[in-house]
Amino acid sequence: KQEVTQIPAALSVPEGENLVLNCSFTDSAIYNLQWFRQDPGKGLTSLLLIQSSQREQTSGRLNASLDKSSGRSTLYIAASQPGDSATYLCAVGNDMRFGAGTRLTVKP
Amino acid sequence: GAVVSQHPSRVICKSGTSVKIECRSLDFQATTMFWYRQFPKQSLMLMATSNEGSKATYEQGVEKDKFLINHASLTLSTLTVTSAHPEDSSFYICSARDRGRGSNQPQHFGDGTRLSIL
Repeated sequence: KQEVTQIPAALSVPEGENLVLNCSFTDSAIYNLQWFRQDPGKGLTSLLLIQSSQREQTSGRLNASLDKSSGRSTLYIAASQPGDSATYLCAVGNDMRFGAGTRLTVKP
Repeated sequence: GAVVSQHPSRVICKSGTSVKIECRSLDFQATTMFWYRQFPKQSLMLMATSNEGSKATYEQGVEKDKFLINHASLTLSTLTVTSAHPEDSSFYICSARDRGRGSNQPQHFGDGTRLSIL
């Protein structure tokens, strides 16, 4: 059974900092990996999808990387803003197994 | 873009009531939909995989007689929480993938249903 771990569980940074969120998974035989953000009490917003054949995807200030062989993905957020404050979740595979998330706070 | 509609967004009802939650893919067909549950300050836990025209596949520890799933068409899956009790209070979210665009497509999520059992 796929196990997904996200580190750190919580992160607080001042506005403007670049930061990295980590996601690791135990079964490297995956089709894809998807990063989401979730605001308190809300549903999920898809951020980036990385196919198993890809190494990274970029969207604006976000860059996600994937290293299947080591079972790792990172989400890089450049020039963080208070509006980036949310919980970030990674989900792995066709049946979308989720990590516990990283709760990010960006202080103005 | 692809949209998944989930209804209702919030339910408050008495213990013992059965509650039905609908998940619709609005502009694509979904052979498979997924149902998740999220308790406060926890991540999403996959409950079951809903397969169009066949029985759902439940995760270990999820009671299939408690959480009835019906996927009668390519655009609709329903989750019925039967005889709900306070411990069933949670945030339920569904997701679907556009079957017509191959397996490597993003999952699209509904906005979730917050279920509160008194």
